[in-house]
Parts: sequence; structure tokens; C-alpha cells
Amino acid sequence: DQQVKQNSPSLSVQEGRISILNCDYTNSMFDYFLWYKKYPAEGPTFLISISSIKDKNEDGRFTVFLNKSAKHLSLHIVPSQPGDSAVYFCAASAWGSGTYKYIFGTGTRLKVLA
Amino acid sequence: EPEVTQTPSHQVTQMGQEVILRCVPISNHLYFYWYRQILGQKVEFLVSFYNNEISEKSEIFDDQFSVERPDGSNFTLKIRSTKLEDSAMYFCASSGGQTTGELFFGEGSRLTVL
Repeated sequence: DQQVKQNSPSLSVQEGRISILNCDYTNSMFDYFLWYKKYPAEGPTFLISISSIKDKNEDGRFTVFLNKSAKHLSLHIVPSQPGDSAVYFCAASAWGSGTYKYIFGTGTRLKVLA
Repeated sequence: EPEVTQTPSHQVTQMGQEVILRCVPISNHLYFYWYRQILGQKVEFLVSFYNNEISEKSEIFDDQFSVERPDGSNFTLKIRSTKLEDSAMYFCASSGGQTTGELFFGEGSRLTVL
């Protein structure tokens, strides 16, 4: 049962253009949605999050949009830079059983071309 | 900046041997987690830990696995008798339970079972 899905395994974008990474979820009970960036052989690095009561959160070049009716969120990176090349994981969290539970998508590999 | 630290960075072991992976979560965090990522696959939840006990565990976390917080700082994952399929990157993570729900990861411990 894949509650968090990233349907695009990879994405290539030219430097300076917008990167749009997508994520779908099935559980309406999630409280927060998070995006992580991961380089090979390193731990995931937190990028940005959004509460389920909001529809947009912006931090510098990164903006996350949440469409609750469609159970869809997206991460926009503008402008994209070569250093953004990494695997991006979408995650969703919910409180339950005395802890926060985090469920991750399968990741999208972003390649920013110079 | 506070960070989650993990040791060892890489461990090679023979099948059937016991392995202990160590983690030092961020000092004021209360919720602790272990995840793993088999090469090229998604980040999978293993176990969450709060108030000195397991809050939740996945199907992967069978009787061969155990976690412990032996003192005020360390959080360990023990695999009692390793199998070939336990080869993976193991990530420790911690959360303060703050309103943004951020989960912070360590750099990971690569386990290779021969």
C-alpha cells in the first residue's frame, strides 16, 4: 500500500529553468508534507515542508504547493542550478500511536543540465 | 548547527554475525527513528522510538532487530544475525515534535553482509 507516490523516477531540466517535482498521496490524515534532497551515500536533507492547512510555502528558490482536493503536492525550484541535481523524496507525516509517522515516496532523480 | 551523527559509516560483516549501528540524535529531540534504503530503492521505515520504548515498527523490523537508548545520548539498532538482504544504508533520524514536523537524518551507515 503505497500511501505516498512519486510517479516520475527522473527529470532533466536546463540550468536556470524551473524544476517541478510531483507527489501524490492517498491518506487525508497526513498533517505535514515534506521534501528531502538526497545525494548518493548521504542522508536525506530536509528542504521544505508544508502544513496540511496551507496551500503554499516558499523558502528562497523552493516553493511547495499543496492541492488537498487532488491529494497532490509539488516542489518548484526556480531557478534550477547544477547543484540541485540529486534525488528528491516527498514525505508525509501523521501523528498516531504516540509518535509522528513519516512515509516516503520512491524519489525522483533530478538532473540539472549546465 | 545540531546534527544527527551515525557510526560506523560503513560496516562489512559475515552473514549470521551481530551488528550494532549507533546514532547520536539531536540533543533536545524526543522522537527517534531508523530507516533503511536498499541500493536504488526507496527509503523504508523500520522503527520509531519515544519515551524509551518502541512506538511503531514495520514488517521489516522482525525479531532479528532491536533498538535501545542505553544512555541519554545514544540510540542503537542491533541486528542479531545478519542476512544478505540486510545489506543497505541505515539512516537514523530524530524529531523534536515541533509544529513543522521536520525529521532530521544522519549521514547513514552502510551495512554490507557477505
